[in-house]
Amino acid sequence: AQSVTQLDSQVPVFEEAPVELRCNYSSSVSVYLFWYVQYPNQGLQLLLKYLSGSTLVESINGFEAEFNKSQTSFHLRKPSVHISDTAEYFCAVSAWYGNKLVFGAGTILRVKS
Amino acid sequence: DVKVTQSSRYLVKRTGEKVFLECVQDMDHENMFWYRQDPGLGLRLIYFSYDVKMKEKGDIPEGYSVSREKKERFSLILESASTNQTSMYLCASSSTINGGHEQYFGPGTRLTVT
Repeated sequence: AQSVTQLDSQVPVFEEAPVELRCNYSSSVSVYLFWYVQYPNQGLQLLLKYLSGSTLVESINGFEAEFNKSQTSFHLRKPSVHISDTAEYFCAVSAWYGNKLVFGAGTILRVKS
Repeated sequence: DVKVTQSSRYLVKRTGEKVFLECVQDMDHENMFWYRQDPGLGLRLIYFSYDVKMKEKGDIPEGYSVSREKKERFSLILESASTNQTSMYLCASSSTINGGHEQYFGPGTRLTVT
């Protein structure tokens, strides 16, 4: 079975500052990793994913995440955040052979002006 | 674009009522999922379905049932609603093609049971 730990429940940060949202996972088999974002009063949207290949993956709005197999981590980073990045971010893991996702508890990113 | 729709954004029901939450996807996805979302707990899988008329229990199926009579529609049923089922309910779908790992979510239904 897989599990996901998001180490911070809330992360306050000022606009234009860098941010890192931490995610660690546990699994006995190879996994695929995802970050989803939920803006207020909306459903979840896929932000980025790691399936194979380069361990550094990027989103279209400037976020990136790096798969670190030895540390079983998939931390999300952005060098300069905007007010519009305020949302809840969920890390999720899937076993390579399965269709089910296991989600972390979520991290609320609050960007302040 | 994949579209997943849910029948209601907000719903208020009384304890003991039978509640139906409907989810429809328009991308011919084989897989459909129902989650509940609670603060500090993330998303927890209630039930999922790999095909029409097929269903499997997720992590928290107690108090819920599901129905999938057509490929595009997946219904979540609360047989007798209780106050501890007050939550946000999210439906998702995915394709089996390319491994089926990426899930697409609906906007959610916020259910309040009083």
